Amino acid sequence: GESVGLHLPTLSVQEGDNSIINCAYSNSASDYFIWYKQESGKGPQFIIDIRSNMDKRQGQRVTVLLNKTVKHLSLQIAATQPGDSAVYFCAENNAGNMLTFGGGTRLMVKP
Amino acid sequence: GAVVSQHPSWVICKSGTSVKIECRSLDFQATTMFWYRQFPKQSLMLMATSNEGSKATYEQGVEKDKFLINHASLTLSTLTVTSAHPEDSSFYICSAIGLARSTDTQYFGPGTRLTVL
Repeated sequence: GESVGLHLPTLSVQEGDNSIINCAYSNSASDYFIWYKQESGKGPQFIIDIRSNMDKRQGQRVTVLLNKTVKHLSLQIAATQPGDSAVYFCAENNAGNMLTFGGGTRLMVKP
Repeated sequence: GAVVSQHPSWVICKSGTSVKIECRSLDFQATTMFWYRQFPKQSLMLMATSNEGSKATYEQGVEKDKFLINHASLTLSTLTVTSAHPEDSSFYICSAIGLARSTDTQYFGPGTRLTVL
């Protein structure tokens, strides 16, 4: 079936460095993607989203890139901080506003 | 941003007990609410979708008689785990889509951790 998946289960970066979290999706008909951050014991927190008519969108310290040709999504975090440590999920918005989540990537920021 | 709350945040109960979890949208009216279950170190799995005033739509493999969902108002949905067993222990998370918000973006509650002894 259709799925959204991640390449790396754990990413360890040095504080101040930039982080890149990748996600592959398989449903070529998907037109809306969202990145969520989930801290331990908490619900997912919306970070940034992008529609399929765009290939890049920037927020505060975060950038999402969408490559529809290879069905790849990435989240870039600039100047990573200890507070960025969490599990990051990409999600694909299917018909009827249903979300399909990727497996998650744990980001660990070393001081 | 949109605020979604859940109550309780953590519940421990004996096997056979029924547990009700509430999900509220605090600053917007939620036309659709979703219930997810998340096991440790795993991703979120959609259990059901509920629209205000109508029956919930359950995902394949989710027992509707065991996980009762009620969406009686535009700000409240409840999930009742009936006759809970230890295998029902999980992190239950709700999300909502609102009338005055982006019709695509789901805003998540903080989650409810259920432990069944």
